[in-house]
Amino acid sequence: DQQVKQNSPSLSVQEGRISILNCDYTNSMFDYFLWYKKYPAEGPTFLISISSIKDKNEDGRFTVFLNKSAKHLSLHIVPSQPGDSAVYFCAAYTGTASKLTFGTGTRLQVTL
Amino acid sequence: DTEVTQTPKHLVMGMTNKKSLKCEQHMGHRAMYWYKQKAKKPPELMFVYSYEKLSINESVPSRFSPECPNSSLLNLHLHALQPEDSALYLCASSPRGGINSPLHFGNGTRLTVT
Repeated sequence: DQQVKQNSPSLSVQEGRISILNCDYTNSMFDYFLWYKKYPAEGPTFLISISSIKDKNEDGRFTVFLNKSAKHLSLHIVPSQPGDSAVYFCAAYTGTASKLTFGTGTRLQVTL
Repeated sequence: DTEVTQTPKHLVMGMTNKKSLKCEQHMGHRAMYWYKQKAKKPPELMFVYSYEKLSINESVPSRFSPECPNSSLLNLHLHALQPEDSALYLCASSPRGGINSPLHFGNGTRLTVT
């Protein structure tokens, strides 16, 4: 049972435009959310996180939005750059466990 | 450069072999993890060590045996694996018990079981 889902397996965006990656979850006990980026042949790299007590967190070009009532979060990248081309995973923690649950991933391609 | 180092990068082993994967971090992190990732799938948690004690085992078969000799090192001992165990094995660490704490991943060991 996939508790964290990324329904778009791939996304293509032009350089300079906004990339929006979406993530849905089913477990209402999740209270901390993270986004990771993964290049081929490398491990996932942490990008940005958000606690369930917030609805927005911003770090440079990256902004994460959380809609708890809809059990939905999104990652906005603006402006998108070719180096952003990678697979993006959302992930979630429950407050009582050390287990980080990953979504299925979205492959982002930023074109020139 | 990743601050979590995994060796070897690639490993090919037969089903009767015994091998070990190694992971090292020098960030002073007190929690370490093993994840398994199959192609086009998300990473799946296998084991968590917190303060050098095994705190989570996600019902992993006994042919996978983790070991945490000290707070900087994490090993995964492999014995009598099956071809379906072929995957990317990722090690990660975090500053404390992992709750609400970003994990830092190594680049993984690509394991092929023949």
